[in-house]
Amino acid sequence: GDSVTQMEGPVTLSEEAFLTINCTYTATGYPSLFWYVQYPGEGLQLLLKATKADDKGSNKGFEATYRKETTSFHLEKGSVQVSDSAVYFCALRVNEGGKLIFGQGTELSVKP
Amino acid sequence: DGGITQSPKYLFRKEGQNVTLSCEQNLNHDAMYWYRQDPGQGLRLIYYSQIVNDFQKGDIAEGYSVSREKKESFPLTVTSAQKNPTAFYLCASSPLSTGLTYEQYFGPGTRLTVT
Repeated sequence: GDSVTQMEGPVTLSEEAFLTINCTYTATGYPSLFWYVQYPGEGLQLLLKATKADDKGSNKGFEATYRKETTSFHLEKGSVQVSDSAVYFCALRVNEGGKLIFGQGTELSVKP
Repeated sequence: DGGITQSPKYLFRKEGQNVTLSCEQNLNHDAMYWYRQDPGQGLRLIYYSQIVNDFQKGDIAEGYSVSREKKESFPLTVTSAQKNPTAFYLCASSPLSTGLTYEQYFGPGTRLTVT
């Protein structure tokens, strides 16, 4: 079945470091891919999305490219800030009911 | 302001009691979803609804029930049959369930503790 695998956390970085969070997926057809962010005690917010192969989603300095050949959607940011500390979820959206299939989440902690 | 509201933010219940979590949206979205989140895990789908008066089971529907009598409301009842109900519950909505490009919008969540 459809699934999403993310790199395990927690990830701890110093401020201004480069961030990569790996995400790979298994899906039939051509899903849309999403990154969501969750701050402590809150719901999820959409960070970025890509709806077809080779699309690049970007927002707030974060980027991810939909790579069909490697079935990946890695999240990157060139220079992280303390305020980026959160849990990041990779997800794909499937045809059946428009459901989202989530990875297990990666906790990011950025130290000053 | 358009959005999704969930109430209450924190909920405490005794084991054996049913409890209903509220979810309301004013985004005019057709589809609504309930997810459960446990520490260190991703979100798992409980139930979803694509249209009023219709809903489908997700991956972990046992011990839960829902209704969709109005487009804007999708309450979730956690019954006493749910073996491990303590969790963070998130409600989401989306313009169309069939449009893969549409994202889901999430509410702030309800943290349920059952003792």
